[in-house]
Amino acid sequence: DNQMTQFPASLSASVGDRVTITCRARQGISIYLAWFQQKPGQAPKSLIYGASNLQSGVPSRFSGSGSGTHFSLTISSLQPEDSATYYCQQYNTYPITFGQGTRLEIK
Amino acid sequence: EVQLVESGGGLVKPGGSLRLSCAASGFSFSSYTMNWVRQAPGKGLEWVSTISSTKSYIYYADSVKGRFTISRDNAKTSLYLQMNSLRAGDTAVYYCAYGAGSRLDYWGQGTLVTVSS
Repeated sequence: DNQMTQFPASLSASVGDRVTITCRARQGISIYLAWFQQKPGQAPKSLIYGASNLQSGVPSRFSGSGSGTHFSLTISSLQPEDSATYYCQQYNTYPITFGQGTRLEIK
Repeated sequence: EVQLVESGGGLVKPGGSLRLSCAASGFSFSSYTMNWVRQAPGKGLEWVSTISSTKSYIYYADSVKGRFTISRDNAKTSLYLQMNSLRAGDTAVYYCAYGAGSRLDYWGQGTLVTVSS
């Protein structure tokens, strides 16, 4: 299995801050990397696919980058509604695997 | 509007069986690979199974292989997950999801499966 490692596991930041979450794949996955946002009691929501492509309707303050084994999700100016858990996921090979999640808290 | 509505969850004893359904609408169901993903209480996301649009390929996580069976009915635009020999570790919210290729762009709201005596 291609293990996905996310860090940090949690972070706390203020409104307006720039925040970056990192995800590493044990084996190269090209750009077959997605990011999801999940709020308590809700289903995950797809934010980014193909490492850097924003899903329709997702605010432009979200961006993704990377290829191969190193990826990142950046929120350029944190908003209160961004409080959530974020997951990376590789879909290059089966089994599909997810990172363990990063819990983002707004100070 | 894309809609994925899961049903069939509930409380079941260890060793029991349950069949989950996912009713799909708002997109061309027969053209897309479909997936089940689960999330144990307070835990992260775990991919469970995938079935291609024409059922030509099916994949399972090792944790459910031999116990779970994924299927689909394109005429009824529905996805299913037959779960047998259930264990406490299968307790989770089960989501159906789909997207272009192997992506998971759209998710249902999930159905809770609780395995407990």
